[in-house]
Amino acid sequence: GEEVAQTPKHLVRGEGQKAKLYCAPIKGHSYVFWYQQVLKNEFKFLISFQNENVFDETGMPKERFSAKCLPNSPCSLEIQATKLEDSAVYFCASSQVDLREPQHFGDGTRLSIL
Amino acid sequence: SQQGEEDPQALSIQEGENATMNCSYKTSINNLQWYRQNSGRGLVHLILIRSNEREKHSGRLRVTLDTSKKSSSLLITASRAADTASYFCATGNEETSGSRLTFGEGTQLTVNP
Repeated sequence: GEEVAQTPKHLVRGEGQKAKLYCAPIKGHSYVFWYQQVLKNEFKFLISFQNENVFDETGMPKERFSAKCLPNSPCSLEIQATKLEDSAVYFCASSQVDLREPQHFGDGTRLSIL
Repeated sequence: SQQGEEDPQALSIQEGENATMNCSYKTSINNLQWYRQNSGRGLVHLILIRSNEREKHSGRLRVTLDTSKKSSSLLITASRAADTASYFCATGNEETSGSRLTFGEGTQLTVNP
């Protein structure tokens, strides 16, 4: 597709439950990025993929967060044993082959942990 | 931690006026990008300026980059009510080959009709 598609738009989970978010990047884009936005301003980089391979995972809280980009499937970000502080909007972005090109963002998934 | 700082945090102007937002950063960069975020939506890419460029235009947008001062500005001319949004600068870092973007905290722009 021509847009980055993220599902679901809104996800509500009780503390301790699992949350799984999905992202379909723009067709032909090689790189996928996940960012976390808390409180409408600060964006925190989580992880990036080059095709199905992890490219940069230095932003990931590894204990509970995991992500995958498998061939012919949407990319996913999974949070185990969610905590209240995981409440945020999670954005996926994709870019073409050159890393210095603009990143195209989806509309995000709002995760609410109760 | 955020390396980008933007000022002002909030800006309110009248339609037709110009809006200027500033961004500072701390590390060496490959490029600097400006994005717009409307409420409840994702980021929309506005303009990218590379580290060897000093100024770039796109329609009503003008971006400058001063690598010696590690700062950039975004000018929106003849603003419209539809320009109301949050504006973020983001840098691609040389050390990470520009893979991750590091965002500033954003400027909330309100254009009053």
